Amino acid sequence: DQQVKQNSPSLSVQEGRISILNCDYTNSMFDYFLWYKKYPAEGPTFLISISSIKDKNEDGRFTVFLNKSAKHLSLHIVPSQPGDSAVYFCAASVYNNNDMRFGAGTRLTVKP
Amino acid sequence: DAGITQSPRHKVTETGTPVTLRCHQTENHRYMYWYRQDPGHGLRLIHYSYGVKDTDKGEVSDGYSVSRSKTEDFLLTLESATSSQTSVYFCAISESGRPETQYFGPGTRLLVL
Repeated sequence: DQQVKQNSPSLSVQEGRISILNCDYTNSMFDYFLWYKKYPAEGPTFLISISSIKDKNEDGRFTVFLNKSAKHLSLHIVPSQPGDSAVYFCAASVYNNNDMRFGAGTRLTVKP
Repeated sequence: DAGITQSPRHKVTETGTPVTLRCHQTENHRYMYWYRQDPGHGLRLIHYSYGVKDTDKGEVSDGYSVSRSKTEDFLLTLESATSSQTSVYFCAISESGRPETQYFGPGTRLLVL
């Protein structure tokens, strides 16, 4: 039973445009959400997070939006750059619980 | 930045053989984790450790055991490898245990024939 879902396996955008990556979750106990970025042959790296008490968190070009009623979060990258091309994983956890649940990932390609 | 290393990086083995993967850190972090990554599943937690000799199960622990006899090393053992354990295995470390502080190793690609 996959509690965190990323329904788009891939996304392609033009350099300079906005990239929007989506994530849905089913477990209402999740209260902390994260995005990781992964390049080939490397481990994932933490990108940005949001707790359930907020609906938006921004860090430079990256913004995460959380809609608790819809159990949906999204990652916006503006403007997209070719170096952003990677696989993005959404993850969710219960606060201070070590068991994070990950989505299957979305492969983002940013074309020059 | 070789704060965390995994060995071997690639391994091919046969069904029924024991396999041990090693995670080594030089950061003196308290928490260490083993994940597997499979297509369509993202990363799934196998086991984690919150100190020397202190370990706990994750989401997909069946068929795996772990040991942590010293702070810097966290071993993952497949007692009798099966083809379903073909995967990419990632180790992660964290000083505080907070999810956003997990730092991942480069991964070990394991193929069980």
